[in-house]
Amino acid sequence: DGGITQSPKYLFRKEGQNVTLSCEQNLNHDAMYWYRQDPGQGLRLIYYSQIVNDFQKGDIAEGYSVSREKKESFPLTVTSAQKNPTAFYLCASSLTSGGAGDTQYFGPGTRLTVL
Amino acid sequence: AQKITQTQPGMFVQEKEAVTLDCTYDTSDQSYGLFWYKQPSSGEMIFLIYQGSYDEQNATEGRYSLNFQKARKSANLVISASQLGDSAMYFCAIPDQTGANNLFFGTGTRLTVIP
Repeated sequence: DGGITQSPKYLFRKEGQNVTLSCEQNLNHDAMYWYRQDPGQGLRLIYYSQIVNDFQKGDIAEGYSVSREKKESFPLTVTSAQKNPTAFYLCASSLTSGGAGDTQYFGPGTRLTVL
Repeated sequence: AQKITQTQPGMFVQEKEAVTLDCTYDTSDQSYGLFWYKQPSSGEMIFLIYQGSYDEQNATEGRYSLNFQKARKSANLVISASQLGDSAMYFCAIPDQTGANNLFFGTGTRLTVIP
């Protein structure tokens, strides 16, 4: 089955800790994305990657870091510099990163809570 | 700047009836697309339907159809024969015009289907 997996489903972090959220896809997609969703809100872009070993900041990149060493993997690290990290995090991928019709497909999400 | 507006925070529909969810947008792109996603309580964003700005016919996918009015910058989602499983949040999205194919989301409409 092709798709996007995210782990863990729920994550609890103590203040001052870094945590890493996993995102893996087996769709052979070039582009991958990380979004953050707060209650009652739409999604906001954190980082995106159009190709392996390349990534760009989105609208709310402060306090986050990513890597793209493999095509199928795009992990997100939430650092202690992120002041309000409690949120729902969604990873997505698309075949390419251009073209109006390039649909993004999403993983099941990770709910991060800071204790 | 781009803008997506979903003016209905909540909607109710009787099972088996049709419902229209509103979405208006603002973009300076000449070629663009409109996406609709469904987010059930589990959290995953599920792609429903896409309409390109140059598509002459309104898009249809099963019980979902788009009422696309380009001159009014409106792309309403119509769900026919509502089912209980349609109860969810629905988001309208447009590709970010700044370059990459990341999506710019509205704040969503919560649809509740009443038996």
